[in-house]
This record gives sequence, structure tokens and C-alpha cells, in this order.
Amino acid sequence: AQSVTQPDIHITVSEGASLELRCNYSYGATPYLFWYVQSPGQGLQLLLKYFSGDTLVQGIKGFEAEFKRSQSSFNLRKPSVHWSDAAEYFCAVATGYSSASKIIFGSGTRLSIRP
Amino acid sequence: NAGVTQTPKFRVLKTGQSMTLLCAQDMNHEYMYWYRQDPGMGLRLIHYSVGEGTTAKGEVPDGYNVSRLKKQNFLLGLESAAPSQTSVYFCASKSQGGVSTDTQYFGPGTRLTVL
Repeated sequence: AQSVTQPDIHITVSEGASLELRCNYSYGATPYLFWYVQSPGQGLQLLLKYFSGDTLVQGIKGFEAEFKRSQSSFNLRKPSVHWSDAAEYFCAVATGYSSASKIIFGSGTRLSIRP
Repeated sequence: NAGVTQTPKFRVLKTGQSMTLLCAQDMNHEYMYWYRQDPGMGLRLIHYSVGEGTTAKGEVPDGYNVSRLKKQNFLLGLESAAPSQTSVYFCASKSQGGVSTDTQYFGPGTRLTVL
């Protein structure tokens, strides 16, 4: 069965520092992968998604993620974080390729920013 | 264009009481979803609908019922609330395309407490 693991529950980085959030997935074929962000008291917003092609995916708000099949990973990165990036981040994998497929979410990583 | 809205934003129930959560979307989306979010567990799919008049069970459907009488609305019902249903509930919608092409849009959530 498909699954997503986010090994870091909570990460704190200094403003201006680089960021990498880890995500590992379990899927038998080429996965469809997503990163979502949830600001406090808000719903989820899609940051970026990977389906095929270039393994480095660019998203909104200056985020990028790299798909590494050999490591079953889809880590999220940002070269320089801003205080407004403080939020919870969810990695997710689709259960299939059709329109009826569902998305399975990881447990999330909470990001705090140190001034 | 309000996107996805949820009513109410907060609710406190006593064990055994019933209530209905309303999700409305104005994007003419075919697919709608109800998730619950619990600390350390990410989002889990309760029920979903692939079109007006259709519903299907997700990962954690027990204790919940849903209805999709109108395309723009998706109702989540709790017939006899239990403390285990204390959670934040999110509704999402997406258009009828492949999972690779369409983003799920999330509402702001409903925080439910069952005493």
C-alpha cells in the first residue's frame, strides 16, 4: 500500500537560512507526489507536484523539491527562509493515476523560524 | 469567487448529539472530499464524491455519513458524536481531470470538539 513518511515532526531554522524537509514514500510504480503547506488556522495550499520528467520541481513561494527514485524520497527545499514560511508542511502521494485516485498525506512537519 | 467554504468554523458538541458540516464550492468542481486532521496523523480521508448524487468511503468512514444532493455542496453528518471525533475537518474539491492535472482546493476547516 502507498504510504508517506515525514521523519521530522518539528524543525526550527533561522530566518535567511536554508531549509530541507524530508519525505519518503512507498509506491510500487512511478509516484505522483505533492507538497502542501498549511498556515496556522488555514486550509492546505499546494506548493508543488511531481508526475514525470525533470526530477527537480519548482513550486510557489520559492520552494523546490527533488524526486530521487533510488532513495524513494521527495525532499522539499528553500535556499533562504522567511518568517512567513512558518507553517506545517505535508508531503503526499497519489494512490493511482486516474481522476478517481486519492491522495495519502504524511503526518506533517511543523516549521518554526528563529528571528 | 469564494473557492471552498465550510460552515461552521467551530462547534462544541456533547457525546451523542448530532450535527452536519456543510462544504460549498463555487468552482464547478466534480470531485469533493472530507478529511479529518488529527495531531501527528496528517489528513485522513473520510468520504468523497465523484459527482452529484454519488458518494464513496475513504480511509476512516465509520461514524460519518455524507450526501451530495447538489454539485456545489457536500455535507458531512455525525449522527451520534463521540469524543474520538474531536478533530479539525477539512473539505476539498477538484475538477474532473486526472490526479496529475488537477489540484485539490481546501476549505479553511471546521474545528469540532466533542465533550
